[in-house]
Amino acid sequence: IAGITQAPTSQILAAGRRMTLRCTQDMRHNAMYWYRQDLGLGLRLIHYSNTAGTTGKGEVPDGYSVSRANTDDFPLTLASAVPSQTSVYFCASSDSGATYNEQFFGPGTRLTVL
Amino acid sequence: GDSVTQMEGPVTLSEEAFLTINCTYTATGYPSLFWYVQYPGEGLQLLLKATKADDKGSNKGFEATYRKETTSFHLEKGSVQVSDSAVYFCALITTGGGNKLTFGTGTQLKVEL
Repeated sequence: IAGITQAPTSQILAAGRRMTLRCTQDMRHNAMYWYRQDLGLGLRLIHYSNTAGTTGKGEVPDGYSVSRANTDDFPLTLASAVPSQTSVYFCASSDSGATYNEQFFGPGTRLTVL
Repeated sequence: GDSVTQMEGPVTLSEEAFLTINCTYTATGYPSLFWYVQYPGEGLQLLLKATKADDKGSNKGFEATYRKETTSFHLEKGSVQVSDSAVYFCALITTGGGNKLTFGTGTQLKVEL
């Protein structure tokens, strides 16, 4: 693989269920991010990780958790999904040592919570 | 805090028309500026960037100039094609904001024959 992969591509989920969105990158980037994309709101940062073993909260972290056990993987977990979490989720990564910190995005996961 | 404001869409143009998508920003630090493009059904791709005042980013016929005096980074293309139909996002990173991008809400461009 080259770049960032996300799984699943799409998912329909009953409210109250637990769900983990997977993200893997093979670029050895130290920084990774999770965004949600909603119409009229653009992309909003949920959580981020500047390096393996550390995580931080973004703009809209409530209801979500992340872990960063290694460089390549950055899963996003919804402990108990609610309809307002219906969105398209994008994972991204960057080399934080790069001059302009370009972020590379995965193809996205479309999540519907009923 | 940091913010990015883009013109609302959708913008509908005929092929070969001139494109401008306005973007202005507010930032507490000295930002680097980006335009990302999202084609239908895909993730975002970096289109162009500028890291200091008066820099011009360019790619695929698109250009944007970093204007510190007007806090703007407007996207332009002289002659659009149907294949340019996508959503365009203006974004910034500040040196004091770590690696976190702040995005505008996106502008959808539709190019018709």
